[in-house]
Amino acid sequence: EIVLTQSPATLSLSPGERATLSCRASQSVSSYLVWYQQKPGQAPRLLIYDTSKRATGIPARFSGSGSGTDFTLTISSLEPEDFAVYYCQQHSNWAEITFGPGTKVDIK
Amino acid sequence: EVQLVQSGAEVKKPGESLKISCKGSGYIFTTYWIGWVRQMPGKGLEWMGIIYPGDSNTRYSPSFQGQVTISADKSINTAYLQWSSLKASDTAMYYCARRDSTAYPYWGQGTLVTVSS
Repeated sequence: EIVLTQSPATLSLSPGERATLSCRASQSVSSYLVWYQQKPGQAPRLLIYDTSKRATGIPARFSGSGSGTDFTLTISSLEPEDFAVYYCQQHSNWAEITFGPGTKVDIK
Repeated sequence: EVQLVQSGAEVKKPGESLKISCKGSGYIFTTYWIGWVRQMPGKGLEWMGIIYPGDSNTRYSPSFQGQVTISADKSINTAYLQWSSLKASDTAMYYCARRDSTAYPYWGQGTLVTVSS
């Protein structure tokens, strides 16, 4: 099983600041890395798929990068609605996907 | 508009059985895989398994193999997740989601399952 590690566990930032979230895989997942956002009481929302492709309707301030085992989600300038938990997910083996433990982005 | 609508919250006792549902609409139900995801209280997301409603081909995460059963009834565009004997540790929110290529862009609203004596 591919294990995903996310860092930091919590990121405390102010609106307007840049957020950089990391996701590391225990083995290569090629470019099959996905990012979701989840707010309290809501289902996860797809942000980024295939490492760097923004899902429909996702603002350009969200971007993804990386390859192999190291990936990054960047939010260029935090908006109030961006404070949430972010999960990475690998899809290298479509029949055995795994999620990272999440990074909480909260207001400083 | 693609929608996945899940059945309502359940409160059960340990040892009881349960089947929750996920009804798809706005697309051809038989041509997309549906996955199930568990989220225990205050915890992260765990992928449980996936089914292709077109032929009921199913895959389970090793962590959930033998613990749950995933099925589908394509005649009514509905996928299911069921337990034969619930445990307190099954208390969680359960989400269904449609797989599009390499990600899950469409999610149900979640079904909260509470198992308590």
